[in-house]
Amino acid sequence: SQKIEQNSEALNIQEGKTATLTCNYTNYSPAYLQWYRQDPGRGPVFLLLIRENEKEKRKERLKVTFDTTLKQSLFHITASQPADSATYLCALTTNAGKSTFGDGTTLTVKP
Amino acid sequence: DTAVSQTPKYLVTQMGNDKSIKCEQNLGHDTMYWYKQDSKKFLKIMFSYNNKELIINETVPNRFSPKSPDKAHLNLHINSLELGDSAVYFCASSQDLEAYNEQFFGPGTRLTVL
Repeated sequence: SQKIEQNSEALNIQEGKTATLTCNYTNYSPAYLQWYRQDPGRGPVFLLLIRENEKEKRKERLKVTFDTTLKQSLFHITASQPADSATYLCALTTNAGKSTFGDGTTLTVKP
Repeated sequence: DTAVSQTPKYLVTQMGNDKSIKCEQNLGHDTMYWYKQDSKKFLKIMFSYNNKELIINETVPNRFSPKSPDKAHLNLHINSLELGDSAVYFCASSQDLEAYNEQFFGPGTRLTVL
């Protein structure tokens, strides 16, 4: 069966360090992988999209990698700040336009 | 200037009741979605509509009936509410059905069934 797993439900790091979040999937052939941020009591907000034929994408302090052989995406936040504390969701999208979300990793950045 | 809005934000009701959640987007998007997020934060797609036409219906009980009067609105009606329906329901929209489009989410409706 299809499965998306995000590493550890919670991740705690010190301010200034790099946070690395993992998204693993099985039995999928996604065309795209997206990362979203969700704050408590709010809807998810889009951060980055990476295509299946791209290895890496960057946006300011964010970096996403996509390895279709390993069936894994890594999401990095460099020079992390307490304001980066939130739940981060990965979503796999097929060419049919259907998105399936992982269950999220809650990141806490301590000052 | 809310892009995707939902009403109500909170909904508390008794088992067996019928309720509706409304969603509107002012982004000019063609595609709209309903998601259910349970207590474990797992976000699961329920329906998607494109230009008022049903595209995705993900094994959702018949008690859930989406209605799209126009492409800017997608409402969710739930009949005979059950305890297991308690969750946060998110509406979202995207430019169209293309897979590379980002989705814009509403603020969510927290439904509690007593």
